[in-house]
Amino acid sequence: GAGVSQSPSNKVTEKGKDVELRCDPISGHTALYWYRQSLGQGLEFLIYFQGNSAPDKSGLPSDRFSAERTGGSVSTLTIQRTQQEDSAVYLCASSLVGSRRTGGGYTEAFFGQGTRLTVV
Amino acid sequence: GQQLNQSPQSMFIQEGEDVSMNCTSSSIFNTWLWYKQDPGEGPVLLIALYKAGELTSNGRLTAQFGITRKDSFLNISASIPSDVGIYFCAVFTSGTYKYIFGTGTRLKVLA
Repeated sequence: GAGVSQSPSNKVTEKGKDVELRCDPISGHTALYWYRQSLGQGLEFLIYFQGNSAPDKSGLPSDRFSAERTGGSVSTLTIQRTQQEDSAVYLCASSLVGSRRTGGGYTEAFFGQGTRLTVV
Repeated sequence: GQQLNQSPQSMFIQEGEDVSMNCTSSSIFNTWLWYKQDPGEGPVLLIALYKAGELTSNGRLTAQFGITRKDSFLNISASIPSDVGIYFCAVFTSGTYKYIFGTGTRLKVLA
């Protein structure tokens, strides 16, 4: 597709249930990021995938959170045993890391519209 | 951890006024970015800055990369109602390939 696609756009779940959030990055983008945005807050880094390298999971808040990226494309963020504090907008972004730019490899990251998760 | 301090947190301005917001860090970064987020959407890149002291414009937007590489500001001239949204500063960490975001400036424009 033309942009980063996330699904579902909204998800309401009961406390204790597991949820899966999906991200389709821009075709050909090797880098994929997940961020969490709580109400009125900035973006909190969760996890970063780059090609076939081991993902950077340093931002995952607990072991209830996990993510995978199959075939270097689609990514799924899974939250097990959801808690009310997990309620937030989960944003996915992709970029074409590796292009030559001033400043050490930065290329623009494009964000999806996010999945608004509400845990009741 | 690394933090970006963004100010002001929110502002109400009259249509036609100029707006200024800034972002500071205790660490040096080599790539500074400004994003805008509309309600229900993901952030969209407005301006990217790669060189200390650099001043870059994008229409009515002007951003500068501080000479110390620890700060940046964004100016919006002659604001219009569609400028409403949340503006985030961000830095790109070339070593870890992460984007670190500020807490945002919420802009409301009164017609």
